[in-house]
Amino acid sequence: QVQLQESGPGLVKPSETLSLTCTVSGGSVNSGRYYWSWIRQSPGRGLEWIGYIYYSGSTNYNPSLKSRVTISIDMSKNQFSLNLTSVTAADTAIYYCARGRGGFDPWGQGTLVTVSS
Amino acid sequence: DIVMTQSPDSLAVSLGERATIYCKSSQSLLYLSNNKKHLAWYQQKPGQPPKLLIYWAYTRESGVPDRFSGSGSETDFSLTISGLQAEDVAVYYCQQYYDVPPTFGQGTKLEI
Repeated sequence: QVQLQESGPGLVKPSETLSLTCTVSGGSVNSGRYYWSWIRQSPGRGLEWIGYIYYSGSTNYNPSLKSRVTISIDMSKNQFSLNLTSVTAADTAIYYCARGRGGFDPWGQGTLVTVSS
Repeated sequence: DIVMTQSPDSLAVSLGERATIYCKSSQSLLYLSNNKKHLAWYQQKPGQPPKLLIYWAYTRESGVPDRFSGSGSETDFSLTISGLQAEDVAVYYCQQYYDVPPTFGQGTKLEI
């Protein structure tokens, strides 16, 4: 059974970079069947897809965030990561990683990231 | 972006009764190459991530009780929960994966 777990700082200062990692267990990120995604959830924005990475390294980002987002993959560690630059309070949210193939399943438990000085 | 609009925003249904949640997309989600509607439904309970219930508009995910069913046309969809149980209290979301970026509805809160 595939499980995903997010990790990273829970507090990031405005204008700095938010960095999170998703560790996959029970399955491999080196799979051509799935896309590995980041999704965030906040009271103001609801559920918002940030982007995904394919095992080949190809990526696709939400146009609303594209200028600030980078998603990378590390096959050796069975992980994929999110970098979001120049954060503001509007980036405060619960960040989820998820496996995608159309619908998203499963999801990690999520990690709350607060942007504040 | 494709806009997903759910109705109602909240819904109270008695135990054992039927609950129906609606989702409307701003454009057709029918992908002609596979003749499938690219629409998923999720259930989210407090403190938990969303859980995939249904994909391709009406296919139940493995392990999802058969009291959950999905249906719909190219732009208008519904999730029906028959014989509501206390454990079904949650927020339900629809999501389109017809186009990038995938987008979600605003959620419908289901209460007893």
